[in-house]
Amino acid sequence: GAGVSQSPSNKVTEKGKDVELRCDPISGHTALYWYRQSLGQGLEFLIYFQGNSAPDKSGLPSDRFSAERTGGSVSTLTIQRTQQEDSAVYLCASSEGAGTEQFFGPGTRLTVL
Amino acid sequence: GNSVTQMEGPVTLSEEAFLTINCTYTATGYPSLFWYVQYPGEGLQLLLKATKADDKGSNKGFEATYRKETTSFHLEKGSVQVSDSAVYFCALLYSTLTFGKGTMLLVSP
Repeated sequence: GAGVSQSPSNKVTEKGKDVELRCDPISGHTALYWYRQSLGQGLEFLIYFQGNSAPDKSGLPSDRFSAERTGGSVSTLTIQRTQQEDSAVYLCASSEGAGTEQFFGPGTRLTVL
Repeated sequence: GNSVTQMEGPVTLSEEAFLTINCTYTATGYPSLFWYVQYPGEGLQLLLKATKADDKGSNKGFEATYRKETTSFHLEKGSVQVSDSAVYFCALLYSTLTFGKGTMLLVSP
């Protein structure tokens, strides 16, 4: 079946602009996660959605970052007023439920000029 | 908080050499442990996992044993191939994954 998909695959933006990154999880997976992979920080957890529960936002680095998950499926990660340090690969993953194996998408490479 | 420490790379080996990549963790309780692999230009893939103490995960000739007493999950392979060149990430899981920094493996013919 289809895996986790993300779009766009690459995004180049100017400092100060807003960006939206999209994730389509595996059908039927109730849990969805966003991670960030950067040279300096490695792989970092950002935010986690589980079913209809309030998301775990404990990994978001600043209030410029937000995410939503509509209808328990597709998720959008929004970064407002982008900064150069936001440049990274943003990874989405989904799983059948909490604490189960996570399947990763190919990522969106964000470059902030 | 939870954390994962893995050996820094790059690890450079000749084909058919023995591989060990060390991984230790700090966590409350007993998380599940994972090794993920990222081949050049590709996304993260699960390599193997272990969900409880003394479990051994294995896949593609790679093995790792969950050692509670040493809080370790070292990755081993008896004979590496050029195609194993990649970045390897150790991770622990409660509700979300906590990753190590990654170890690059370079295998030469």
